[in-house]
Amino acid sequence: AQSVSQHNHHVILSEAASLELGCNYSYGGTVNLFWYVQYPGQHLQLLLKYFSGDPLVKGIKGFEAEFIKSKFSFNLRKPSVQWSDTAEYFCAVRGLSAGKSTFGDGTTLTVKP
Amino acid sequence: ETGVTQSPTHLIKTRGQQVTLRCSSQSGHNTVSWYQQALGQGPQFIFQYYREEENGRGNFPPRFSGLQFPNYSSELNVNALELDDSALYLCASSSNREDTIYFGEGSWLTVV
Repeated sequence: AQSVSQHNHHVILSEAASLELGCNYSYGGTVNLFWYVQYPGQHLQLLLKYFSGDPLVKGIKGFEAEFIKSKFSFNLRKPSVQWSDTAEYFCAVRGLSAGKSTFGDGTTLTVKP
Repeated sequence: ETGVTQSPTHLIKTRGQQVTLRCSSQSGHNTVSWYQQALGQGPQFIFQYYREEENGRGNFPPRFSGLQFPNYSSELNVNALELDDSALYLCASSSNREDTIYFGEGSWLTVV
C-alpha cells in the first residue's frame, strides 16, 4: 500500500528565509512524485514532479525538490520565501502500476512579511 | 486555470439524502478521478474512470458511486449521506499519455 508522510504540519517563516518541507513515502515499486500547492481559496496546483532522470527537479515559482531513492524522500525547497508563498503544500506519490495518487496530510506554510 | 470545472461549488444536504457532483475534464483528457478532502487532511482517492469504466477504487463504501460519459465528463454520487461525508470533493483529470493529474476547484459538501 502507498503512504505519504509530511513531517511538518505548520511552518512559520519570515520573508527571505529558506524553506525545506519534508516528505517520505512508502511504496514497493517505481513511483512518480509530486508536490502540489493550494493557495487560500484556490484549487490544487502542480508545483513540480519527478518521473525519472535527474533527481533534482525544478518547478514553478523558484521551488525545487530532491528525490533521494535510498531514503524514500522527496523534500521541497526554496532558497528565499515570499509572503505570497503562504499556502498549503501537499506531497503525493503515484505508483506506476496504480491508478491513484496518494497524498500526505499537507503542510501549512505561513510567511510573515 | 486547469480546465477542469466542477459543479456545484457549495451545497448543503441533510443526513440520509443523496447528492450528485459533476465534473468536466480538461480537453484531451480521458481519465477522471475523484478525491475527498476533509478539513486538515490531504485528498483521499475515491475512484478513477477511464473510457467510462471504473479502473481503480480507494477505501470508500459502495454508496459512493460514479459515472463517466462519452465526452469524458463525470459524476460522483453519494447515497445515504452521513455527517462524516462533509468535505471538499475534488475532481481531477489526466490523459494516458501524461501521468500528471489536474484538479478542479472542488465542490464543498456540508451534511447536516
